[in-house]
Amino acid sequence: QVKLQQSGAELVKPGASVKLSCKTSGYTFSTSYMSWFKQIPGQSIEWIGMIYAGDGGTGYNQKFKGKATLTVDTSSSTAYMDLSSLTTEDSAVYFCARLGYWGQGVMVTVSS
Amino acid sequence: DVVLTQTPVAQPVTLGDQASISCRSSQSLVHSNGNTYLEWYLQKPGQSPQLLIYKVSNRFSGVPDRFIGSGSGSDFTLKISRVEPEDLGVYYCFQATHDPYTFGAGTKLELK
Repeated sequence: QVKLQQSGAELVKPGASVKLSCKTSGYTFSTSYMSWFKQIPGQSIEWIGMIYAGDGGTGYNQKFKGKATLTVDTSSSTAYMDLSSLTTEDSAVYFCARLGYWGQGVMVTVSS
Repeated sequence: DVVLTQTPVAQPVTLGDQASISCRSSQSLVHSNGNTYLEWYLQKPGQSPQLLIYKVSNRFSGVPDRFIGSGSGSDFTLKISRVEPEDLGVYYCFQATHDPYTFGAGTKLELK
């Protein structure tokens, strides 16, 4: 069955960067899209962007351009999201998702 | 950006009742390819969103037939007949027709 397994919680300092991973199984990764989402606890969800694993082509929500960078490693069927120049406003749960299947989410806390 | 307005904000129900949630879009969600990319999700506390309905009225794999999506253009409804305990949580509508993709603010289905 389809599984998306995300990396563990992160505590990072303001100004730093963090790389989140989403390891997949149960489907053909190299011909699929992967989307990423942000959810501040107690709030709604925002779409960050998506990547096509076949060629690494990306599409971003304008709001997250310069903040998020999406990549994939087809050899390990893993998608990645780099978040840069982190501020407290980036503290949130981040999800990867593909066609109705979601990862469990990873909490990123930005604090000095 | 497309704004999705969900009503009500909270829906108190008795188990076994029917519940209805509205999602109105600030513009038509009909894509140039003729499809309407309107989805419904349920998120329970501490969990990832789970896809219930895609393209307005199609139930995702394993979703019970008491969940019924309907609507067209910019006006959509999710009906839940005979609410069961596992149906409680926050419901979101989501559009993937216009970039950036956006979510509604959510409707909390709770016990009276």
